[in-house]
Amino acid sequence: GENVEQHPSTLSVQEGDSAVIKCTYSDSASNYFPWYKQELGKGPQLIIDIRSNVGEKKDQRIAVTLNKTAKHFSLHITETQPEDSAVYFCAASGAGNQFYFGTGTSLTVIP
Amino acid sequence: NAGVMQNPRHLVRRRGQEARLRCSPMKGHSHVYWYRQLPEEGLKFMVYLQKENIIDESGMPKERFSAEFPKEGPSILRIQQVVRGDSAAYFCASSPWARQFNSPLHFGNGTRLTVT
Repeated sequence: GENVEQHPSTLSVQEGDSAVIKCTYSDSASNYFPWYKQELGKGPQLIIDIRSNVGEKKDQRIAVTLNKTAKHFSLHITETQPEDSAVYFCAASGAGNQFYFGTGTSLTVIP
Repeated sequence: NAGVMQNPRHLVRRRGQEARLRCSPMKGHSHVYWYRQLPEEGLKFMVYLQKENIIDESGMPKERFSAEFPKEGPSILRIQQVVRGDSAAYFCASSPWARQFNSPLHFGNGTRLTVT
């Protein structure tokens, strides 16, 4: 089955700086890669996703990049704000397969 | 437009009791997933259901755990004879399309089960 690894497990940045979270996957058949943000006491919320026919996708301050050859994908948050503080999960899914989640990155944005 | 609704938000059970967790998917969604999350860990898949059918229960323990998604009403995750190791947050997610189309999952806010 698929194995998704996520790094780092914790990340602290100053407000206004950028944050980068990286994930690797093992199954070359995986073709859909969503990112979720989980705030304390809440469920994960989808923030951005990318499919394997695209190398990069942007949505305001958030971007995701995908390198299919190396089997890794990354979340980039620019101009971080305190409300970006949360736990972020990456996931990978292939045709007919279930979603496999990374172990999460706890991001703290220091005002 | 209500999202995925889970109840109760918090559930306390003594060892040996039964726990019933409910999930109403988003309007128009007929595919439901249950995930379990232990503290500071990722989400672990348990079961995938469509209306009246269990499609994939490969992540669910063989004993004490069961799930259903009836034609009418919410999906239910049932844990019989709970043990302390069942303490976790249980999340339900729904999607509009079948799993093979990789549609995004929409999660509820979870049920936090504590077994004393």
